[in-house]
Amino acid sequence: DQQVKQNSPSLSVQEGRISILNCDYTNSMFDYFLWYKKYPAEGPTFLISISSIKDKNEDGRFTVFLNKSAKHLSLHIVPSQPGDSAVYFCAARRVNAGGTSYGKLTFGQGTILTVHP
Amino acid sequence: DAGVIQSPRHEVTEMGQEVTLRCKPISGHNSLFWYRQTMMRGLELLIYFNNNVPIDDSGMPEDRFSAKMPNASFSTLKIQPSEPRDSAVYFCASAGRGLTEQFFGPGTRLTVL
Repeated sequence: DQQVKQNSPSLSVQEGRISILNCDYTNSMFDYFLWYKKYPAEGPTFLISISSIKDKNEDGRFTVFLNKSAKHLSLHIVPSQPGDSAVYFCAARRVNAGGTSYGKLTFGQGTILTVHP
Repeated sequence: DAGVIQSPRHEVTEMGQEVTLRCKPISGHNSLFWYRQTMMRGLELLIYFNNNVPIDDSGMPEDRFSAKMPNASFSTLKIQPSEPRDSAVYFCASAGRGLTEQFFGPGTRLTVL
């Protein structure tokens, strides 16, 4: 039962162009979404997040969009740089039945982004 | 400021041996998470502590796995006895109050022969 899905295992983009990474989820109890970046032999590093009450959050070259009705979020990287080449994980946090946030994150399978010079 | 510290970084052991992985969370963080990453299953949560108390251990695969958090600055994940299918990268992460982003350690790559 994969509640967070990243359907594209890999993405290849030219330097300077836009990278768009997609993520779909099934659990309507998710209230907070995060993107992590992971380099080989390192742990995932937090990149950007968005609350379910928003539809967009921007931080420099990184923007996350949330479409709650479609249960879809995306990460846009503009302009893409070779140093952005990494595995990107989408993650989601849910509220419990009482409405309070629950610490567990559910991760997608990851998308390997390669940015070519 | 030191991030999450894990040891060892690499562990190679033989089937049947006991394995202990260690984690020191970021000072002041009150939540600690153990994850396992494999090619087949991706990144999956094994157990989650809040204020040193296990909150959710539904991801622990079986009784061979156990985790403890004796104090706010130290946690262990133990596998006894280890099996080849336990080979994976094990990550520890911690989070502060508010439970927003989690900060990951560098991971321990475990190989069970």
